[in-house]
Amino acid sequence: QLVLTQSPSASASLGASVKLTCTLSRRHSSYVIAWHQQQPDKGPRYLMKLNSDGSHSKGDGIPDRFSGSSSGAERYLTISSLQSEDEADYYCQTWGTGIQVFGTGTKVTVL
Amino acid sequence: VQLLESGGGLVQPGGSLRVSCAASGFTFSSYAMNWVRQAPGKGLEWVSVISGSADRTYYADFVKGRFTISRDNSKNTLFLQMNSLRAEDTAVYYCAKVLDFGMITWAFDIWGQGTMVTVSS
Repeated sequence: QLVLTQSPSASASLGASVKLTCTLSRRHSSYVIAWHQQQPDKGPRYLMKLNSDGSHSKGDGIPDRFSGSSSGAERYLTISSLQSEDEADYYCQTWGTGIQVFGTGTKVTVL
Repeated sequence: VQLLESGGGLVQPGGSLRVSCAASGFTFSSYAMNWVRQAPGKGLEWVSVISGSADRTYYADFVKGRFTISRDNSKNTLFLQMNSLRAEDTAVYYCAKVLDFGMITWAFDIWGQGTMVTVSS
């Protein structure tokens, strides 16, 4: 079964960095994923598509502070120079034949 | 590039509702489109996808036989017909565009702002 696992929460100070993890189920460790941001009371926003080799392509207007990387079944989203507007829920997404799967989301708090 | 959902509201259990998503700023017929929902205080949950030409559709198991996705490419509009609604279908319903031309299941790159569907007596 295709499953994405995310930690429920993460926090870091204003101006610091935070690294979020999305873990693919073992049989699906080579899958491509996407990262999305959802600020409070807003619709989701596409951040990037992230390949198993760590290469990624970001959405229009996504700041350089957002970057992606990969290691095995883990996909990472790093937010550098944290700003107050980065306080949001972050979801990873992947897909298979006829299905889409979301992780449970990580809530990022900016201290 | 924009997606604008409409048609949400309050409906009784067992009732029906059709929500719509108006697209602009891209060649609508070239891209698969999805519905994703989010129950209050919960995460994102994929509902259904339809190919650009409407020849293929897929559904999450929990809506099979109750929901129908469709599109009108002449009007750049996506639809979700929801029948036999249950309290657990209460959610914000978002439409989302697939990133790349010709792909059915793929990353989403454009999201709408959502429309709220409440199933309650």
